[in-house]
Amino acid sequence: AQSVSQHNHHVILSEAASLELGCNYSYGGTVNLFWYVQYPGQHLQLLLKYFSGDPLVKGIKGFEAEFIKSKFSFNLRKPSVQWSDTAEYFCAARFDTGRRALTFGSGTRLQVQP
Amino acid sequence: DAMVIQNPRYQVTQFGKPVTLSCSQTLNHNVMYWYQQKSSQAPKLLFHYYDKDFNNEADTPDNFQSRRPNTSFCFLDIRSPGLGDAAMYLCATSRAPSGRATDTQYFGPGTRLTVL
Repeated sequence: AQSVSQHNHHVILSEAASLELGCNYSYGGTVNLFWYVQYPGQHLQLLLKYFSGDPLVKGIKGFEAEFIKSKFSFNLRKPSVQWSDTAEYFCAARFDTGRRALTFGSGTRLQVQP
Repeated sequence: DAMVIQNPRYQVTQFGKPVTLSCSQTLNHNVMYWYQQKSSQAPKLLFHYYDKDFNNEADTPDNFQSRRPNTSFCFLDIRSPGLGDAAMYLCATSRAPSGRATDTQYFGPGTRLTVL
């Protein structure tokens, strides 16, 4: 079955540190990929998405992600995190199986210390 | 601003007492989804409507039902809530061109359900 994996469950960084959160999926076909962020007490917000084209995708708030098909990965990056980036980050995928639903990873809790 | 609205934001019910959660959208999207998100877990899809067509996930308990009276509104009914149903319930919408995969899903703020 198709799945999405996030191996970092809890990440603690200091402000200005660089961030990379891992996301891998298991599926051999076409996939649409998303990163969502959930700030404390708030709803899921879309950070960025990849459908096709340039595998390096830029999103809001300085985030970017790179789709590497050979590695089945879609890692999220930010060169310099801020305290306000403290949140839960979810990677999600939609596989071209005809199913419309998103498959979410288990999430990564990012804690940025001032 | 166009958005996905969920009411109430917090709902407390008693064990076994039916409860209905509401979702409305001003995006005019034709697909609406209900997810269940338990603490520190990923959202899990319960079911979705593609226009008026209801699509249930295979592992969604019969205790969970949904209604979509029109494009803008969708309801989640929990017929007999158990303690294990306490969670955040998320509504999402997307625009799905006919015959193609859906576009981005936009989420509402969620309703946190407590079962006493």
